[in-house]
Amino acid sequence: EVQLVESGGGLVQPGRSLRLSCAASGFTFDDYAMHWVRQAPGKGLEWVSGISWNSGSIGYADSVKGRFTISRDNAKNSLYLQMNSLRAEDTALYYCARADRSQAAFDIWGQGTMVTVSS
Amino acid sequence: EIVLTQSPGTLSLSPGERATLSCRASQSVSSSYLAWYQQKPGQAPRLLIYGASSRATGIPDRFSGSGSGTDFTLTISRLEPEDFAVYYCQQYGSSCSFGQGTKLEIK
Repeated sequence: EVQLVESGGGLVQPGRSLRLSCAASGFTFDDYAMHWVRQAPGKGLEWVSGISWNSGSIGYADSVKGRFTISRDNAKNSLYLQMNSLRAEDTALYYCARADRSQAAFDIWGQGTMVTVSS
Repeated sequence: EIVLTQSPGTLSLSPGERATLSCRASQSVSSSYLAWYQQKPGQAPRLLIYGASSRATGIPDRFSGSGSGTDFTLTISRLEPEDFAVYYCQQYGSSCSFGQGTKLEIK
């Protein structure tokens, strides 16, 4: 079964750091670009960051540029998001998503991990 | 950054009716890189349409997408009870961005 499972969320104080992980299974991980998308409580979807299959191409939303770092370990079938200098507005459910090889839309999503930034 | 604006914000219809959802981009989007997603409460989004008009695997043919340039449409021909949800458009040709969503509710 093709699956993405996020972990690493939790309650963190403003200004602190957190690292999210996404474990992939059921497909050849290093064939696919991967993304992080977040959703604040009661709000819409916001793309956060994406990384190509070989980490050669990386992009960030302006709202997280300079604070968040995306990475992947193809040997471990894992995607990561290092989040530094967290703010209250980073509070959200964070999804990892797979980008289809041929048409690049996000065809597989995890169930998300919740990040709450609060003192 | 390409901004996507969806309308209406909320659409109230009855099962069996036709739903038409709009997505307008602040600048031209390659049709190859326009997608639609459905999200139900407590669930992750599900890919419905990619490339503006191609249905994803397992998506019923009552869902169809159309449009080009800056104007795109998702049409649900005859609403089933399970279709009431929030729908998002997405462009992934120039970085990536989502519309704010259209909530399709039962009238």
